[in-house]
Amino acid sequence: EAGVVQSPRYKIIEKKQPVAFWCNPISGHNTLYWYLQNLGQGPELLIRYENEEAVDDSQLPKDRFSAERLKGVDSTLKIQPAELGDSAVYLCASSLTSVNEQFFGPGTRLTVL
Amino acid sequence: AQSVSQHNHHVILSEAASLELGCNYSYGGTVNLFWYVQYPGQHLQLLLKYFSGDPLVKGIKGFEAEFIKSKFSFNLRKPSVQWSDTAEYFCAVISANDYKLSFGAGTTVTVRA
Repeated sequence: EAGVVQSPRYKIIEKKQPVAFWCNPISGHNTLYWYLQNLGQGPELLIRYENEEAVDDSQLPKDRFSAERLKGVDSTLKIQPAELGDSAVYLCASSLTSVNEQFFGPGTRLTVL
Repeated sequence: AQSVSQHNHHVILSEAASLELGCNYSYGGTVNLFWYVQYPGQHLQLLLKYFSGDPLVKGIKGFEAEFIKSKFSFNLRKPSVQWSDTAEYFCAVISANDYKLSFGAGTTVTVRA
């Protein structure tokens, strides 16, 4: 069974530039999550999707971050414009339902210069 | 908001030593509990989980964890560690209230050969 796929694995951009991350969840998983992980900390939820609906985006900084999950499968997370403090690892995860274990992708390490 | 506390930031031990990592959470209602592990250069993967039933759960690679409801704890144990157990370990909790997976800050375990 293929795991959660994310791309790119690494991204280096200058501040004020836009950036986008892509995630393909495990087939059949209805719930998709985006997390942010800073060095030395645990992942923090940005947004949770149930199929194509964003059911929890309370932690998403909506002034610069946006996300979509068209057709309830793949998802894209965008930052525009990026700031120095956005440097982190962005993780995508999926699960069958909201209470099941989550399976994580390898993450995208973003560096904002 | 609920919180998850991991007592140790960094643990260093020798092969064959016993390991115990502490985890406490703040939410008083129904919870599902997880331990995730991240080996160097790899993505987060599930070590074990507790949903209900026997509070002593066994996971992969000889790890086990005990849920003590009265103490809001879910401590991870392994009787004899190996060099390959060097990794970062995260405790995580989902509450039935908001279905949000909250992570502890993680414990880095270094096993010396």
